[in-house]
Amino acid sequence: AQSVTQLGSHVSVSEGALVLLRCNYSSSVPPYLFWYVQYPNQGLQLLLKYTSAATLVKGINGFEAEFKKSETSFHLTKPSAHMSDAAEYFCAVSELTNAGKSTFGDGTTLTVKP
Amino acid sequence: EAGVTQSPTHLIKTRGQQATLRCSPISGHTSVYWYQQALGLGLQFLLWYDEGEERNRGNFPPRFSGRQFPNYSSELNVNALELEDSALYLCASSLAGNYGYTFGSGTRLTVV
Repeated sequence: AQSVTQLGSHVSVSEGALVLLRCNYSSSVPPYLFWYVQYPNQGLQLLLKYTSAATLVKGINGFEAEFKKSETSFHLTKPSAHMSDAAEYFCAVSELTNAGKSTFGDGTTLTVKP
Repeated sequence: EAGVTQSPTHLIKTRGQQATLRCSPISGHTSVYWYQQALGLGLQFLLWYDEGEERNRGNFPPRFSGRQFPNYSSELNVNALELEDSALYLCASSLAGNYGYTFGSGTRLTVV
């Protein structure tokens, strides 16, 4: 069975500071891993994905994430936060053997302070 | 290119009634997924359709059902509505194999 744990339901950073959102996964088989962003009253937008190629994945809006198998982690980072980054972020996992279904974490709300 | 479209945007129903939610995937996407996002409960997987077939189902009662049409659009039906069915219902589509979903903006279902 697959599962995702996002550490910290709320993260607050100052504008220009490093953004680090943590995600740990559990999967019995090699996983696909994703980060999505959700703005208020909207659906989710795919930020980036890991599908067993390069372990450091770059996404949209300056975000990147590194797949660390030994730590079962897929943390999301951005060097310098912008006010427009304030949103809810979801980590998700799907298994190659059940590739259609993604399991989502509970989400982390990012607040960016001026 | 049109994104994933969902209709209606908002839906208000009375307890015990039936609700029908619709989703049109991105052109070329054969897989459609339904998720429920209830307040405080995160995204819960409901259903996955691919090529007209139900491929997987989440831990929801049978009164949640759906189908996928030959043009790959999909419908989610919720029978005998209960107050706790109030949520944002999100539809997503992907190419076969799920290399990342494209989500619609959702249907906000309110049961009164």
